[in-house]
This record gives sequence, C-alpha cells and structure tokens, in this order.
Amino acid sequence: AAGVIQSPRHLIKEKRETATLKCYPIPRHDTVYWYQQGPGQDPQFLISFYEKMQSDKGSIPDRFSAQQFSDYHSELNMSSLELGDSALYFCASSLRTGYNSPLHFGNGTRLTVT
Amino acid sequence: AQSVTQPDIHITVSEGASLELRCNYSYGATPYLFWYVQSPGQGLQLLLKYFSGDTLVQGIKGFEAEFKRSQSSFNLRKPSVHWSDAAEYFCAVGLGSSNTGKLIFGQGTTLQVKP
Repeated sequence: AAGVIQSPRHLIKEKRETATLKCYPIPRHDTVYWYQQGPGQDPQFLISFYEKMQSDKGSIPDRFSAQQFSDYHSELNMSSLELGDSALYFCASSLRTGYNSPLHFGNGTRLTVT
Repeated sequence: AQSVTQPDIHITVSEGASLELRCNYSYGATPYLFWYVQSPGQGLQLLLKYFSGDTLVQGIKGFEAEFKRSQSSFNLRKPSVHWSDAAEYFCAVGLGSSNTGKLIFGQGTTLQVKP
C-alpha cells in the first residue's frame, strides 16, 4: 500500500540558509500534519492543513511557513536556519481531519544544520 | 495544560517476558489516546487507540492497552515480548475539544529486549 512520502530523507544546511521539506500524503488523504522531533525528544506538533487550509498550529517558529497544494502535497519552508532546528521532521496524513481518522506517518526528513 | 507522561525512559525485558509501559495524561475531559511505536530511522506506526467504549483495547502485534479514568492512565501491555519489539514507544493524547487530529506525545520509552 502507498505510504506517506517525504523528501529529501536527509538534508544538511548551514546556519542562516533556507530549507524546503516536501510531503506527499497517501492518495485521497486530505489532511497533512507536520511534527518536529529533536534528538532524544518526543515529536512536537508544528502545523496541520485540511483541504489546503491551515487547520491547527502548534509550536512553529515564525521563521517557518508551510502550505498545502491543490494536489494535497505539503511543503515546509524553513528560513534563517539555526543549529537548534536540527531534527527529524515528520509529515503525517489522514483521510479526514479529526481523531477518527488515524495518522499515517512518513519516515521523516533528517535536517542537520551546521 | 494538557500533557502526557511516560515515567519510564528505558525498560529492558527478557524475550518471552511480559511487558507493561506506563502512560499518564493530564486533560480535563476524556481524551483520545494512542500508542505509537518508532523503530530507528523510521516513522511512527500506530499500535492502538482508544476513543470510547470498552476500556481494554487490542492493537497490532499482540499489544493491548487499558484506559483507567480514575488513574488517568493508558498503559500498554504485551504478554510475551519478541526481540523485534525493541523500539521506542510513544503514548499520545488527542484533544477532543479541537478534534483537528493534533497529538501531544509523551517523552517516549525505549524498550530493549534481552535474548
């Protein structure tokens, strides 16, 4: 079965650079979530989209922005990168928004900021 | 504020032994409760979830969890652990008031399985 695809799998950037992470949800899934997992930390919710509109917002820095496109894929844009942004970034998708639709996670993008 | 606590950071059990991973939550209403497993370098896989009804829920890979409202707990159990169960386990809470699907995760418990 098709899963959530995230690209790239690994990304190395320098401080103050920008990065774009992409997420391709499972076909027919209309809801996308972004989570950040620092080293040895639990995943922290960043932001979510339902039908291309932002549905919820968590601890996402102002330097980050995200959007969901007409084909439901999503991109997380990160600017002025800091060392503390080094983390594993997960995208998850669900068929509909809400807890009755289980989240399917991708394998993540590991961002390293040097 | 809503929170999830997993008191055990690391647990080591012998293969074939029983397992219980603890999870406590802080939330005013009945939350949506989940257990996820994460293998190294992998995404999170849903083991089981509780929304309402029977407080003992069955999940994949032989796992089960019991919701105890009086103790604000949702402990994960498995009667006989296999070496392939070694991974990190996360308990998570969904806030029913918003129902946007956003999850709050606990700190995780790393399970090591001894042969």
